[in-house]
Amino acid sequence: GESVGLHLPTLSVQEGDNSIINCAYSNSASDYFIWYKQESGKGPQFIIDIRSNMDKRQGQRVTVLLNKTVKHLSLQIAATQPGDSAVYFCAETQAAGNKLTFGGGTRVLVKP
Amino acid sequence: DTAVSQTPKYLVTQMGNDKSIKCEQNLGHDTMYWYKQDSKKFLKIMFSYNNKELIINETVPNRFSPKSPDKAHLNLHINSLELGDSAVYFCASSQNLVPQPQHFGDGTRLSIL
Repeated sequence: GESVGLHLPTLSVQEGDNSIINCAYSNSASDYFIWYKQESGKGPQFIIDIRSNMDKRQGQRVTVLLNKTVKHLSLQIAATQPGDSAVYFCAETQAAGNKLTFGGGTRVLVKP
Repeated sequence: DTAVSQTPKYLVTQMGNDKSIKCEQNLGHDTMYWYKQDSKKFLKIMFSYNNKELIINETVPNRFSPKSPDKAHLNLHINSLELGDSAVYFCASSQNLVPQPQHFGDGTRLSIL
């Protein structure tokens, strides 16, 4: 079936460096994409989202890039901090219903 | 002032028992969801309700029965618990069914002995 997936299960990054988390999706009908951050013992926390009519969206220290041609989504975190250590999930949905399909998650470890 | 709250946070019980998890949101949202997260962190939707009406039922065994007494509450009752039910269950809510961020609770860790 259609799925959303991530290339790297674990990403180690030096504090202060930029992080890039990648996500591939297979459903070409997907039109809304979202990134979540999950810290240990907590629920997923919304970071940023993007709709299919855009290819880039920026937030505070985060940027999401969407390449519909190759069905690829990425999350860039600038100047990674220890508090950014968490598991990051991409998710996608299409049209009405708001049924999110989650990718498998990437663990980001920030080294001091 | 927690937006989406679940109780209990931890639930340890024997196989075969029946248990319930409660969820409440104070965001004024119309839509609520239950997700299951397995030991490999994979998150999968189970149910969604919109204005107390069941919208999504993702091939979940009928031992799982969600109940929405009002828009602000979505409870999950599980009958005849099995070992494979061990997981973290997350409740979430969103304003409505239009694609948008969902707000998650902090989860209920269910452990079956």
